[in-house]
Amino acid sequence: SQQGEEDPQALSIQEGENATMNCSYKTSINNLQWYRQNSGRGLVHLILIRSNEREKHSGRLRVTLDTSKKSSSLLITASRAADTASYFCATALETGANNLFFGTGTRLTVIP
Amino acid sequence: DADVTQTPRNRITKTGKRIMLECSQTKGHDRMYWYRQDPGLGLRLIYYSFDVKDINKGEISDGYSVSRQAQAKFSLSLESAIPNQTALYFCATSDRTSGRSWNEQFFGPGTRLTVL
Repeated sequence: SQQGEEDPQALSIQEGENATMNCSYKTSINNLQWYRQNSGRGLVHLILIRSNEREKHSGRLRVTLDTSKKSSSLLITASRAADTASYFCATALETGANNLFFGTGTRLTVIP
Repeated sequence: DADVTQTPRNRITKTGKRIMLECSQTKGHDRMYWYRQDPGLGLRLIYYSFDVKDINKGEISDGYSVSRQAQAKFSLSLESAIPNQTALYFCATSDRTSGRSWNEQFFGPGTRLTVL
Protein backbone atom coordinates (compact mmCIF):
# COMPACT_ATOMS: atom_id res chain seq x y z
CA SER A 1 0.00 0.00 0.00
CA GLN A 2 1.14 3.52 -0.71
CA GLN A 3 -0.52 4.70 2.45
CA GLY A 4 1.70 7.04 4.36
CA GLU A 5 2.66 6.35 7.90
CA GLU A 6 2.95 9.15 10.40
CA ASP A 7 5.29 9.08 13.30
CA PRO A 8 4.68 9.41 16.17
CA GLN A 9 1.10 8.20 16.47
CA ALA A 10 0.57 10.57 19.37
CA LEU A 11 2.48 13.59 20.66
CA SER A 12 1.92 15.67 23.77
CA ILE A 13 3.75 18.97 24.30
CA GLN A 14 3.52 22.15 26.34
CA GLU A 15 2.18 25.32 24.81
CA GLY A 16 4.98 27.32 23.22
CA GLU A 17 7.06 24.27 22.31
CA ASN A 18 7.62 23.09 18.76
CA ALA A 19 5.91 19.97 17.42
CA THR A 20 7.42 17.79 14.74
CA MET A 21 5.56 15.05 12.90
CA ASN A 22 6.98 12.74 10.27
CA CYS A 23 5.47 10.95 7.30
CA SER A 24 6.97 8.12 5.28
CA TYR A 25 5.63 6.72 2.01
CA LYS A 26 6.55 3.99 -0.43
CA THR A 27 6.39 5.05 -4.09
CA SER A 28 7.25 8.11 -6.16
CA ILE A 29 4.95 11.06 -5.65
CA ASN A 30 3.81 14.12 -7.53
CA ASN A 31 3.12 16.02 -4.33
CA LEU A 32 2.54 15.51 -0.63
CA GLN A 33 -0.10 17.33 1.39
CA TRP A 34 -0.70 17.84 5.09
CA TYR A 35 -4.16 18.07 6.59
CA ARG A 36 -5.48 18.82 10.04
CA GLN A 37 -8.57 17.30 11.66
CA ASN A 38 -10.20 18.51 14.84
CA SER A 39 -11.92 15.74 16.71
CA GLY A 40 -14.79 14.27 14.66
CA ARG A 41 -14.68 17.09 12.10
CA GLY A 42 -13.71 17.31 8.45
CA LEU A 43 -10.10 17.59 7.35
CA VAL A 44 -8.65 20.97 6.54
CA HIS A 45 -5.82 21.39 4.06
CA LEU A 46 -2.69 22.96 5.53
CA ILE A 47 0.04 22.88 2.94
CA LEU A 48 1.11 21.16 -0.28
CA ILE A 49 4.70 20.47 -1.27
CA ARG A 50 5.62 19.29 -4.74
CA SER A 51 8.15 16.59 -5.48
CA ASN A 52 10.66 19.12 -6.80
CA GLU A 53 10.46 21.23 -3.63
CA ARG A 54 12.45 20.57 -0.48
CA GLU A 55 10.95 22.99 2.00
CA LYS A 56 7.87 25.14 2.31
CA HIS A 57 6.59 27.56 4.91
CA SER A 58 3.15 28.79 5.83
CA GLY A 59 2.84 30.90 8.95
CA ARG A 60 3.98 28.74 11.88
CA LEU A 61 4.15 25.65 9.67
CA ARG A 62 7.29 24.35 8.03
CA VAL A 63 7.21 21.29 5.79
CA THR A 64 10.21 19.47 4.42
CA LEU A 65 10.33 16.76 1.78
CA ASP A 66 13.13 14.30 1.16
CA THR A 67 12.24 12.26 -1.91
CA SER A 68 15.40 10.15 -1.62
CA LYS A 69 14.22 8.95 1.78
CA LYS A 70 10.53 9.07 0.82
CA SER A 71 9.73 11.11 3.88
CA SER A 72 8.30 14.43 4.92
CA SER A 73 8.10 16.32 8.17
CA LEU A 74 5.68 18.92 9.49
CA LEU A 75 6.97 21.35 12.08
CA ILE A 76 4.58 23.56 14.04
CA THR A 77 6.48 26.27 15.86
CA ALA A 78 5.38 28.01 19.06
CA SER A 79 2.45 25.67 19.50
CA ARG A 80 -0.87 26.80 20.93
CA ALA A 81 -3.63 24.88 22.68
CA ALA A 82 -5.74 25.45 19.55
CA ASP A 83 -3.27 23.38 17.55
CA THR A 84 -4.56 20.28 19.34
CA ALA A 85 -5.80 18.05 16.54
CA SER A 86 -4.87 15.08 14.38
CA TYR A 87 -2.52 15.71 11.48
CA PHE A 88 -2.48 13.59 8.33
CA CYS A 89 -0.14 13.42 5.39
CA ALA A 90 -1.55 12.52 1.98
CA THR A 91 0.41 11.56 -1.10
CA ALA A 92 -0.46 12.07 -4.75
CA LEU A 93 1.32 9.50 -6.86
CA GLU A 94 3.58 10.32 -9.77
CA THR A 95 1.82 7.75 -11.92
CA GLY A 96 -1.04 5.34 -11.50
CA ALA A 97 -3.97 5.80 -9.16
CA ASN A 98 -5.85 9.05 -9.46
CA ASN A 99 -6.39 9.78 -5.81
CA LEU A 100 -4.70 10.88 -2.61
CA PHE A 101 -3.47 8.27 -0.16
CA PHE A 102 -3.87 9.30 3.45
CA GLY A 103 -1.74 8.18 6.35
CA THR A 104 -3.05 7.11 9.72
CA GLY A 105 -2.34 10.42 11.42
CA THR A 106 -0.53 11.89 14.40
CA ARG A 107 -2.64 12.97 17.34
CA LEU A 108 -1.15 16.20 18.76
CA THR A 109 -2.11 17.46 22.19
CA VAL A 110 -0.88 20.89 23.25
CA ILE A 111 -1.14 21.43 26.97
CA PRO A 112 -1.89 25.02 28.04
CA ASP B 1 -15.98 24.02 5.39
CA ALA B 2 -19.50 25.37 4.85
CA ASP B 3 -19.01 25.13 1.08
CA VAL B 4 -19.26 21.34 1.32
CA THR B 5 -22.28 20.04 3.19
CA GLN B 6 -23.29 16.53 4.13
CA THR B 7 -26.62 15.13 5.23
CA PRO B 8 -27.41 13.57 7.57
CA ARG B 9 -24.71 14.38 10.13
CA ASN B 10 -25.57 11.35 12.23
CA ARG B 11 -27.47 8.21 11.37
CA ILE B 12 -28.22 5.02 13.22
CA THR B 13 -29.64 2.17 11.19
CA LYS B 14 -30.10 -1.57 11.28
CA THR B 15 -28.38 -4.34 9.40
CA GLY B 16 -29.87 -4.86 5.94
CA LYS B 17 -31.30 -1.38 5.54
CA ARG B 18 -30.52 0.78 2.51
CA ILE B 19 -28.91 4.07 3.43
CA MET B 20 -28.11 7.14 1.35
CA LEU B 21 -25.64 9.81 2.38
CA GLU B 22 -25.75 13.06 0.47
CA CYS B 23 -23.12 15.63 -0.34
CA SER B 24 -23.55 19.05 -1.89
CA GLN B 25 -20.95 21.67 -2.74
CA THR B 26 -21.03 25.30 -3.76
CA LYS B 27 -17.34 25.53 -4.65
CA GLY B 28 -17.93 24.86 -8.35
CA HIS B 29 -15.45 22.00 -8.32
CA ASP B 30 -15.58 19.21 -10.85
CA ARG B 31 -14.12 16.50 -8.68
CA MET B 32 -15.88 14.87 -5.76
CA TYR B 33 -14.88 12.04 -3.45
CA TRP B 34 -16.29 9.79 -0.75
CA TYR B 35 -14.04 8.52 2.06
CA ARG B 36 -14.60 6.53 5.18
CA GLN B 37 -12.57 6.95 8.34
CA ASP B 38 -12.08 4.24 10.91
CA PRO B 39 -10.05 4.62 14.10
CA GLY B 40 -6.38 3.89 13.47
CA LEU B 41 -6.85 3.43 9.72
CA GLY B 42 -6.87 6.97 8.42
CA LEU B 43 -9.08 7.80 5.45
CA ARG B 44 -9.82 5.31 2.71
CA LEU B 45 -11.31 6.24 -0.65
CA ILE B 46 -14.62 4.62 -1.57
CA TYR B 47 -15.54 6.29 -4.88
CA TYR B 48 -14.57 9.39 -6.78
CA SER B 49 -16.01 11.32 -9.70
CA PHE B 50 -14.30 13.75 -12.05
CA ASP B 51 -17.54 14.97 -13.59
CA VAL B 52 -21.18 13.94 -13.92
CA LYS B 53 -20.41 11.20 -16.41
CA ASP B 54 -17.26 9.90 -14.77
CA ILE B 55 -17.46 7.59 -11.74
CA ASN B 56 -14.53 5.56 -10.45
CA LYS B 57 -14.09 2.96 -7.75
CA GLY B 58 -11.69 3.67 -4.97
CA GLU B 59 -9.84 1.42 -2.58
CA ILE B 60 -12.89 0.00 -0.80
CA SER B 61 -15.95 0.23 -3.07
CA ASP B 62 -17.53 -3.17 -2.26
CA GLY B 63 -20.93 -2.75 -0.60
CA TYR B 64 -21.26 0.87 -1.76
CA SER B 65 -22.63 2.66 -4.80
CA VAL B 66 -22.68 6.31 -5.81
CA SER B 67 -24.63 8.70 -7.94
CA ARG B 68 -23.45 12.04 -9.34
CA GLN B 69 -26.77 13.74 -9.91
CA ALA B 70 -25.24 17.06 -10.86
CA GLN B 71 -21.89 18.75 -10.70
CA ALA B 72 -22.72 19.92 -7.19
CA LYS B 73 -24.20 16.69 -5.81
CA PHE B 74 -22.63 13.31 -5.08
CA SER B 75 -24.52 10.66 -3.13
CA LEU B 76 -23.22 7.51 -1.47
CA SER B 77 -25.50 4.52 -0.95
CA LEU B 78 -25.11 1.47 1.20
CA GLU B 79 -27.37 -1.06 -0.51
CA SER B 80 -27.64 -3.38 2.50
CA ALA B 81 -25.88 -1.95 5.52
CA ILE B 82 -23.75 -4.20 7.72
CA PRO B 83 -22.16 -3.46 11.11
CA ASN B 84 -18.60 -3.20 9.76
CA GLN B 85 -19.74 -0.22 7.70
CA THR B 86 -20.05 1.72 10.93
CA ALA B 87 -17.67 4.61 10.40
CA LEU B 88 -17.27 8.32 9.83
CA TYR B 89 -17.94 9.19 6.18
CA PHE B 90 -16.53 12.25 4.47
CA CYS B 91 -17.27 13.88 1.18
CA ALA B 92 -14.57 16.01 -0.42
CA THR B 93 -14.14 18.15 -3.52
CA SER B 94 -11.22 19.44 -5.52
CA ASP B 95 -10.70 21.71 -8.46
CA ARG B 96 -9.92 20.55 -11.96
CA THR B 97 -6.22 20.20 -12.60
CA SER B 98 -4.12 19.55 -15.64
CA GLY B 99 -1.86 16.58 -16.00
CA ARG B 100 -1.28 14.42 -12.96
CA SER B 101 -0.94 17.17 -10.39
CA TRP B 102 -3.38 16.75 -7.52
CA ASN B 103 -4.75 19.80 -5.82
CA GLU B 104 -5.91 20.22 -2.27
CA GLN B 105 -9.20 18.69 -1.28
CA PHE B 106 -11.98 20.41 0.65
CA PHE B 107 -13.86 18.24 3.10
CA GLY B 108 -17.40 18.26 4.40
CA PRO B 109 -18.14 17.97 8.13
CA GLY B 110 -18.72 14.22 7.97
CA THR B 111 -21.57 11.79 8.62
CA ARG B 112 -21.31 9.46 11.58
CA LEU B 113 -23.02 6.23 10.59
CA THR B 114 -23.79 3.43 13.04
CA VAL B 115 -25.11 0.12 11.77
CA LEU B 116 -26.61 -2.06 14.49
